[in-house]
Amino acid sequence: DTEVTQTPKHLVMGMTNKKSLKCEQHMGHRAMYWYKQKAKKPPELMFVYSYEKLSINESVPSRFSPECPNSSLLNLHLHALQPEDSALYLCASSRTAAWGLAGVGETQYFGPGTRLLVL
Amino acid sequence: AQSVAQPEDQVNVAEGNPLTVKCTYSVSGNPYLFWYVQYPNRGLQFLLKYITGDNLVKGSYGFEAEFNKSQTSFHLKKPSALVSDSALYFCAVRGGTSISSGSARQLTFGSGTQLTVVP
Repeated sequence: DTEVTQTPKHLVMGMTNKKSLKCEQHMGHRAMYWYKQKAKKPPELMFVYSYEKLSINESVPSRFSPECPNSSLLNLHLHALQPEDSALYLCASSRTAAWGLAGVGETQYFGPGTRLLVL
Repeated sequence: AQSVAQPEDQVNVAEGNPLTVKCTYSVSGNPYLFWYVQYPNRGLQFLLKYITGDNLVKGSYGFEAEFNKSQTSFHLKKPSALVSDSALYFCAVRGGTSISSGSARQLTFGSGTQLTVVP
């Protein structure tokens, strides 16, 4: 089973709202990722968690706040977003992060995404 | 820095005909290459990857890809296209040098190729 689940599927929020996106995997993967994807464009990496610790933050604005409560769950907390933040937010996981040569060939498995609209 | 080029934004092919989606790459060290497919309003679905070994890699749904080191290419192919293959295809690469770390070891995606299979 290579399933990554994400909730909600769709989210509409105002610029003053606080909301959270949730991602879950039960494959025993120890690396989890958040990506942002605009229509017809490739995914852009936002955050990488390795063994529940934040390893990479690709200069993402602080209005996006990731959290990894345990090895199966990854959250993305949203606050005071801008309309340009509207996008498909994808979660992914892999067995390990690609730090060492052993991990460089690891496959990332993606969830179905949350379609976010900021009004 | 690593990079991926998908020279065709759009590929059209008739159902039953062979299809090819092109990908060329540039990395330091050994390349680790991946193909993903994305159906409308869905996440990325892993198709296949090249790590090492046989240059012809077989993947899901009858897709295969040929690794060509001299041409730095990893083209996706299928002998007989189906209408249901119509989707957005992404090639991705990760470089395998021990020098790279952190962000440099993450997947770099191509710009994507929209495949349309016409009945």
